[in-house]
Amino acid sequence: GEDVEQSLFLSVREGDSSVINCTYTDSSSTYLYWYKQEPGAGLQLLTYIFSNMDMKQDQRLTVLLNKKDKHLSLRIADTQTGDSAIYFCAVGYNFNKFYFGSGTKLNVKP
Amino acid sequence: DVKVTQSSRYLVKRTGEKVFLECVQDMDHENMFWYRQDPGLGLRLIYFSYDVKMKEKGDIPEGYSVSREKKERFSLILESASTNQTSMYLCASSLRLGGTDTQYFGPGTRLTVL
Repeated sequence: GEDVEQSLFLSVREGDSSVINCTYTDSSSTYLYWYKQEPGAGLQLLTYIFSNMDMKQDQRLTVLLNKKDKHLSLRIADTQTGDSAIYFCAVGYNFNKFYFGSGTKLNVKP
Repeated sequence: DVKVTQSSRYLVKRTGEKVFLECVQDMDHENMFWYRQDPGLGLRLIYFSYDVKMKEKGDIPEGYSVSREKKERFSLILESASTNQTSMYLCASSLRLGGTDTQYFGPGTRLTVL
């Protein structure tokens, strides 16, 4: 199947920007997603980008897609302690095939 | 808002027991999914269903079965639970039959098999 990779941990200080990266191998993706998982909870959809876009901004969140390099990133501006969570990248294909990365645990230090 | 609910947040079972995990969605979604989540492995698809009584194997179906008798309900069954099935189980649903559509997740069931 598809290989979706993320680094496991990221630590930032409150107020800084966080950048979470994701790489994938199959370029025939349709939509790419970022989900957030808080402790003990399910996954909450944060944002998504269609594969023919290269950027999407939604308040403090900026998604960048480099389709040539198969690289997706999520930038969180002015990171807050409430942003501490695990962030999953997911790559969607036709016929409801989804592949998830292993998740990046974001730790925000006060 | 889409609501996906799972019958239990925490479950403890013994090896060899039959285990049922239930998932219900209230948005008339066609597709429903069961994943398991393990540290460092992300989410792995066990089974999905695109219609009532229809099912497709995901990446790790061994040791599991599913049932979809009604559109809103998708059950995951562990016929004979084993300790390596201790995990967090996440249910999701999405709207359309074809193409790609956003998946909405339930809160998860943390299953421990002793």
